[in-house]
Amino acid sequence: EIVLTQSPGTLSLSPGESATLSCRASQSVSSNSHLVWYQQRPGQAPRLLIYGASRRATGIPDRFSGSGSGTDFTLTISRLEPEDCGVYYCQQFGNSLVTFGGGTKVEMK
Amino acid sequence: QVQLQESGPGLVKPSQTLSLTCNVSGGSIRSRGYYCNWIRQLPGKGLEWIGWIYYSGTTNYNPSLKSRVTISVDTSKNQFSLELRSVTAADTAVYYCAIDKSGYYWFDPWGQGTLVTVSS
Repeated sequence: EIVLTQSPGTLSLSPGESATLSCRASQSVSSNSHLVWYQQRPGQAPRLLIYGASRRATGIPDRFSGSGSGTDFTLTISRLEPEDCGVYYCQQFGNSLVTFGGGTKVEMK
Repeated sequence: QVQLQESGPGLVKPSQTLSLTCNVSGGSIRSRGYYCNWIRQLPGKGLEWIGWIYYSGTTNYNPSLKSRVTISVDTSKNQFSLELRSVTAADTAVYYCAIDKSGYYWFDPWGQGTLVTVSS
């Protein structure tokens, strides 16, 4: 099983700042196509943000960007807005199993 | 725009079977070739993928749950279902259905989720 470790656990930032979220895999993700990021706002279901490690899903603002390959992936949120508060999860498919990271909580100062 | 809605009992007794249904609107499971997934969110423990079914009936399950899970599909009603047998308190979670349109395990959209509590 590929374990995804997300850091930091919590980010506390001011509106307008940038957030850098890390997702590290215990072994190389088989293909960048299988690395995705979700946003989960309080009380809501997760929403697809980034697929294929770097491609924005439909309707996602260009403030969100994804990068990385192999075992290290990053989600960057520029120009933070209050609506960006929530928990962000990375997810991969490999070795016939989908696994999720433990999440990074983004909160506003 | 595809929308999903879960339904089923919110309380299940230990050792019994948890049964949920996901109704799909705005797109045909069969004609669009959707992979229909179940995912759960355990309290304080994050997200766990349960498995998927294709309209043809082909399934793929999380090995850790495979012995207790059955996912089925009814294309005439455009819905799919989850059965989880022999439940314990550890199965208490919010259960989500979600669609994968690509086959690459990109889940979009998700249903709103339904909380299932296992308790006597």
